[in-house]
This record gives sequence, structure tokens and C-alpha cells, in this order.
Amino acid sequence: AQSVTQLGSHVSVSEGALVLLRCNYSSSVPPYLFWYVQYPNQGLQLLLKYTSAATLVKGINGFEAEFKKSETSFHLTKPSAHMSDAAEYFCAVSDAAGTASKLTFGTGTRLQVTL
Amino acid sequence: DAGVIQSPRHEVTEMGQEVTLRCKPISGHNSLFWYRQTMMRGLELLIYFNNNVPIDDSGMPEDRFSAKMPNASFSTLKIQPSEPRDSAVYFCASSLVQGGGQPQHFGDGTRLSIL
Repeated sequence: AQSVTQLGSHVSVSEGALVLLRCNYSSSVPPYLFWYVQYPNQGLQLLLKYTSAATLVKGINGFEAEFKKSETSFHLTKPSAHMSDAAEYFCAVSDAAGTASKLTFGTGTRLQVTL
Repeated sequence: DAGVIQSPRHEVTEMGQEVTLRCKPISGHNSLFWYRQTMMRGLELLIYFNNNVPIDDSGMPEDRFSAKMPNASFSTLKIQPSEPRDSAVYFCASSLVQGGGQPQHFGDGTRLSIL
């Protein structure tokens, strides 16, 4: 069974500071990995996805994530936080050989951005 | 392009009443997912369909919940009778069944309040 663990249910950063949201995965087969963002009163929106091409994946709104197989990690980063980045972020995993398109989501990390 | 469309956006009703939530997936997508999101339990997968066929309904909490997908462009989630503990935001998402790595696209959700 595959799973993801998001370390830290709440993260607070200052505007302009580095954003680092952590995600570790567990999968018995090569995984596909995703980051989603959820703004208040909205659905989840895809930020970026890893599908075994480049290990460094660039997404929307200046976010990127690096797939590290040795560490089973897929952490999300952004060099400089903006107030508009305040939202909840979800990491998700889908295995490459199993049921197509089913995702397993983490519990989410709420990002707060302060002045 | 039209995204996943859910209706209604908000529903307030009294316990014991039947509730029907509706979803129109993205045209051409052949996987459809129903999720429930609460503060206590986070994001839970209730049921998903591939090519209009229910694949996994193990997340449906009770027999009071049922879901149908009569055709590729429409799905319903029904709760009968509704209870206060069913209050949550219900999301529909759609995707392509095409090996792994396909992201899910979410609607904006239905906020359900059972009084």
C-alpha cells in the first residue's frame, strides 16, 4: 500500500522567506507524486506533478519540488513567500502499476505567511 | 475549458431529509471521484468510478450513502436519511484512466450543513 506523510500540519513563514513543505512517500513501485493547493472555499488545484521524467519539477506560482528516491521525499519549495501563498497544501501519491488515477493524499499542511 | 462542475455549492437541510449532490466531470475524463472533507477527518475518498463503473466504494461511510454514474457526464452522491454528522464539504474530481500519473481535477465542492 502506498502512503504519504506530510511533516508539520502548520508552517508559518515571513513574506519573502523560503517556503519548505515536507512530504515523504511510501510505495512498493515507482510512484507518481503530486502537490495540490487549496485556497479557502475552493477545491484542490494541481501545483505540480512528478512522473519519472526530471527529478526537479517546476509548477505554477513559482513552486518547485524535487524527487529524491534515496530519501523517499518530494518536498515543495518556493524561494520567496508571498501573502497570496497562504493556503493548505496536500501531497499525493499514485503508483505507476496499480489502479490508474487513484491518489492517496496526505493530511495537508497549512501555510501561513506573515508580514 | 470548463472544469468539474458541482451543484449545489451550498446546501442546508434538516436531519432526516434526502440530499443529492451532483457532479459533471471534465469532458473526456473517464474516472470520477467523490471525496468528503472535514476538519476532524481531513480529505476522505468515498467512492470512485472508472468508465462509469464503481471500482471502490470502501470509503462510503454507511448504507445511507449511495452514488451513481448513469453516464460519462454526470454523477450523483445521495444521502438518505441525512444526519448532522454528515455535515462536510463534498468534492467531486475527475481524471483520465491512462496508466498512472494522471492528476485529478477538483470541483469547488458542495458545503453541506445538516441541522
